[in-house]
Amino acid sequence: AQSVTQPDIHITVSEGASLELRCNYSYGATPYLFWYVQSPGQGLQLLLKYFSGDTLVQGIKGFEAEFKRSQSSFNLRKPSVHWSDAAEYFCAVGTYYGGSQGNLIFGKGTKLSVKP
Amino acid sequence: DTEVTQTPKHLVMGMTNKKSLKCEQHMGHRAMYWYKQKAKKPPELMFVYSYEKLSINESVPSRFSPECPNSSLLNLHLHALQPEDSALYLCASSQGFRSGGRAVREQFFGPGTRLTVL
Repeated sequence: AQSVTQPDIHITVSEGASLELRCNYSYGATPYLFWYVQSPGQGLQLLLKYFSGDTLVQGIKGFEAEFKRSQSSFNLRKPSVHWSDAAEYFCAVGTYYGGSQGNLIFGKGTKLSVKP
Repeated sequence: DTEVTQTPKHLVMGMTNKKSLKCEQHMGHRAMYWYKQKAKKPPELMFVYSYEKLSINESVPSRFSPECPNSSLLNLHLHALQPEDSALYLCASSQGFRSGGRAVREQFFGPGTRLTVL
């Protein structure tokens, strides 16, 4: 069965420090992978996506992610964190229903706190 | 316009009330979704509409009734809810998918409706 694991429930980093959020997936075919960010009480905003091609993908707000098939991972990175990056981050894998429908399976999320 | 809008932002209702949540998008998307999200949890899929037809119902209780009047609008009718139904209800949309075509699309989410059932 398809699944997404985010091993870190909560991460705290200092402002200006680098960030890496981990995501591992389990999926039988070529995965479609996404990172979303959610600020408290808000909807989810798409940061970046991977469908195929270059395994290093760039997203909005200075984020990037690297797809590593051998490790079944899609980790999110940012070289210098800003206080406004404090939020919940969800990794998701795209799935298929009945050969044509698609949906997302989300990881449990990683809460990012930023220290001044 | 790349926005999904949801109304109302907040809703408080009693267990005997009937209310509706509304969602609208003008991106030409033909798939629309309802999710339920409890605090500190990921979104849980409730319903998927594809080309205005209900294609997925994730065993949601009948007190939740979805409706897709046209390709831009999605409603969720609520009746006789329980306090445990209190949550953030998120709407999302994506490009449609037909049999044999590319099946996975990125979804664009609205800001949600915070529902409290007393």
